[in-house]
Amino acid sequence: KAGVTQTPRYLIKTRGQQVTLSCSPISGHRSVSWYQQTPGQGLQFLFEYFSETQRNKGNFPGRFSGRQFSNSRSEMNVSTLELGDSALYLCASSLKIGSGNTIYFGEGSWLTVV
Amino acid sequence: SQQGEEDPQALSIQEGENATMNCSYKTSINNLQWYRQNSGRGLVHLILIRSNEREKHSGRLRVTLDTSKKSSSLLITASRAADTASYFCATEGDFGNEKLTFGTGTRLTIIP
Repeated sequence: KAGVTQTPRYLIKTRGQQVTLSCSPISGHRSVSWYQQTPGQGLQFLFEYFSETQRNKGNFPGRFSGRQFSNSRSEMNVSTLELGDSALYLCASSLKIGSGNTIYFGEGSWLTVV
Repeated sequence: SQQGEEDPQALSIQEGENATMNCSYKTSINNLQWYRQNSGRGLVHLILIRSNEREKHSGRLRVTLDTSKKSSSLLITASRAADTASYFCATEGDFGNEKLTFGTGTRLTIIP
């Protein structure tokens, strides 16, 4: 069974540009969540989607947005990139929502903003 | 924001020794989970302990949870070079909000 797939794995963008990251969850998983990891702030929750609906949102500015498609694939978008957005963006999927579900992480997308 | 702190921030031990990492958190939880992350890679789920459990084992891993002290520990016995990684605890809140809040992580280095 294929794991969580994130594309692209590495990318470099310029300040002010926008970026879209993609995540394909494990087959059959309907919940997708996104996290940002930086050396300074650690791992921080961005948002979670289930059945195309955003269920939870972390404390990030409106420049960060996401969506989920009917096949459970998800994208996140960051507009007007800032240097501080340089990070590893991790996507995770789980079979269902609710407490105590094991979530499975992808390898992440490394974003560098210059 | 981080839920809590992990201690120590970095740990180096000889192969074969046991490694203990601690995690403290701030709010009431449904469960606490431990993850491993190899350098620059994704996180791998290791073990989940529910708020009504005190200890759990999985292979060479032993996790304890003390909800009165809001703390947990992860013990890796008979460490191997392949255990070199960063280890994170993550808590799931008890407000019907299942998002995970991660600790700051412990960087474990196993010296062959």
